[in-house]
Amino acid sequence: QQQVKQSPQSLIVQKGGISIINCAYENTAFDYFPWYQQFPGKGPALLIAIRPDVSEKKEGRFTISFNKSAKQFSLHIMDSQPGDSATYFCAAGYSTLTFGKGTMLLVSP
Amino acid sequence: DVKVTQSSRYLVKRTGEKVFLECVQDMDHENMFWYRQDPGLGLRLIYFSYDVKMKEKGDIPEGYSVSREKKERFSLILESASTNQTSMYLCASSEQFVEKLFFGSGTQLSVL
Repeated sequence: QQQVKQSPQSLIVQKGGISIINCAYENTAFDYFPWYQQFPGKGPALLIAIRPDVSEKKEGRFTISFNKSAKQFSLHIMDSQPGDSATYFCAAGYSTLTFGKGTMLLVSP
Repeated sequence: DVKVTQSSRYLVKRTGEKVFLECVQDMDHENMFWYRQDPGLGLRLIYFSYDVKMKEKGDIPEGYSVSREKKERFSLILESASTNQTSMYLCASSEQFVEKLFFGSGTQLSVL
């Protein structure tokens, strides 16, 4: 089974700080790397995604950094807000997605 | 607004029962997926379907089957429910295979 390893398991960040979540994958055939955000009682929702032809993608306060040679990618949340408190999943794949185990982010006011 | 609807939010069943989890999408998507979500294990793919009457096994298909008789509906079947199938079950659909999965809100199944 292909693995996607996600860290940390949980994270507490002060309001206004930067949240960083890291993922590593094994399969070099993977060509799509999304991040999903999940609030309690809801299904995950796509936050941002990247393909390996670029090293960085930014959408508002959310940035994906991608390192193809290291087979790693990360999510940066700038100016973190209490409303960002959620569980974040990285994923990777080419026909179906393999998800990481998730990171519970708490942004303290 | 796009919608993936799962028939039950909470379900309690007894060991050995046959359980049906229903999912309906209103986006005319070709692809539909069933995942289970367990604390500390993330989301794991059970089965997926890329067309009506077509199905493919995911990473953890044992103890499950699926049915897709109509494009908009994808059912997950637990032939004989066991306690280790207590979990949150998430249905998803997509237009392009891996891109932009739309998830339902999930069914929390408890098998006693």
